[in-house]
Amino acid sequence: DAGVIQSPRHEVTEMGQEVTLRCKPISGHDYLFWYRQTMMRGLELLIYFNNNVPIDDSGMPEDRFSAKMPNASFSTLKIQPSEPRDSAVYFCASSHDRPENSPLHFGNGTRLTVT
Amino acid sequence: AQTVTQSQPEMSVQEAETVTLSCTYDTSESDYYLFWYKQPPSRQMILVIRQEAYKQQNATENRFSVNFQKAAKSFSLKISDSQLGDAAMYFCAYRRGYDMRFGAGTRLTVKP
Repeated sequence: DAGVIQSPRHEVTEMGQEVTLRCKPISGHDYLFWYRQTMMRGLELLIYFNNNVPIDDSGMPEDRFSAKMPNASFSTLKIQPSEPRDSAVYFCASSHDRPENSPLHFGNGTRLTVT
Repeated sequence: AQTVTQSQPEMSVQEAETVTLSCTYDTSESDYYLFWYKQPPSRQMILVIRQEAYKQQNATENRFSVNFQKAAKSFSLKISDSQLGDAAMYFCAYRRGYDMRFGAGTRLTVKP
């Protein structure tokens, strides 16, 4: 199993530009999560999907952030327009059905730098 | 809201020695799950060990074990025979339902 795959590994962009982060979950996993990690706030849950449907997006900081999951093997997190305070490491994670007792499997993260 | 507290921002241990990382959490629930994740410099989040709250027996995984004190809402991680490869950030996490809360992390240094 290849694990959760995220791309790109690093992204540097200028303020105001659109940024798209990509994630391929582990095959067969029904839940997909997007987290953001910063020194100040630690790991924060942004949004999660079940069977490709967004269930809880209360952690999405602003309308500039949006996430989609068009099929079971692909999800995107988009920031438009990006701002310097969006600089962070963004993680995607997936888990089996009934994730309350199933660990999350994380990707390697995307380090986003907005200048 | 559930919160997870790791009171030790940094810890160090001598190679081959034992170290314990502390974690406390706040919840009014009785059914939940607790996890320890390791994040090496590669940035990947790696599951180390997990504990179901309804189980009284402490979980163990090779050199890693936990001391789960439900009444005290404490969940510490013990690493025995520490190795250089154990150097990383360690995150304690609480989960009930679909939301997982993480502590701020403890940076562990292993001295040769």
